[in-house]
Amino acid sequence: DAGITQSPRHKVTETGTPVTLRCHQTENHRYMYWYRQDPGHGLRLIHYSYGVKDTDKGEVSDGYSVSRSKTEDFLLTLESATSSQTSVYFCAISPGRQETQYFGPGTRLLVL
Amino acid sequence: TQLLEQSPQFLSIQEGENLTVYCNSSSVFSSLQWYRQEPGEGPVLLVTVVTGGEVKKLKRLTFQFGDARKDSSLHITAAQTGDTGLYLCAGGHNAGNMLTFGGGTRLMVKP
Repeated sequence: DAGITQSPRHKVTETGTPVTLRCHQTENHRYMYWYRQDPGHGLRLIHYSYGVKDTDKGEVSDGYSVSRSKTEDFLLTLESATSSQTSVYFCAISPGRQETQYFGPGTRLLVL
Repeated sequence: TQLLEQSPQFLSIQEGENLTVYCNSSSVFSSLQWYRQEPGEGPVLLVTVVTGGEVKKLKRLTFQFGDARKDSSLHITAAQTGDTGLYLCAGGHNAGNMLTFGGGTRLMVKP
């Protein structure tokens, strides 16, 4: 299995609170992705990174920001959490664009 | 936005039955990947197809990429309870950095 971890694995927070999720990889893969998964919507891309300090928006980026200061870490921040951001968040890594994506175990976030 | 539609969304069958799930789009993809996701875990790649008309087999699973590279199918022969899970297709584009995921087919195989 690809070395990819997510923290925290579960989080409950209140509306309006900032939240940061962390994705850490030990594979030295160039590409890192953040997705959210909701019933009926499959996986939707939030943001992705194609190198240190190189990021771009995905399909559902509003209300989210990301940072990648090191190859191994990709942070997702919910600037002011809303109930609509209650979801399961998956990080994925890939050695190259459109190549196999290896997914982390997910973070289950509940915004009350 | 390049859309991938999967059908059926839900499928419940008995062990030993055969089934086919579909992944369709109006767009051409340079590659098509199939993933399986079990409850509480992230998706795991099953196969990648890149050539129109390509067929790949993985034990009891047969994957086909449409001739026009707009659609794909996954056929499972003699389903087992261990095949239960969410099956996702994902398409790649030559000019893109990302994959487009379909909504998934949730398969339940009952003993």
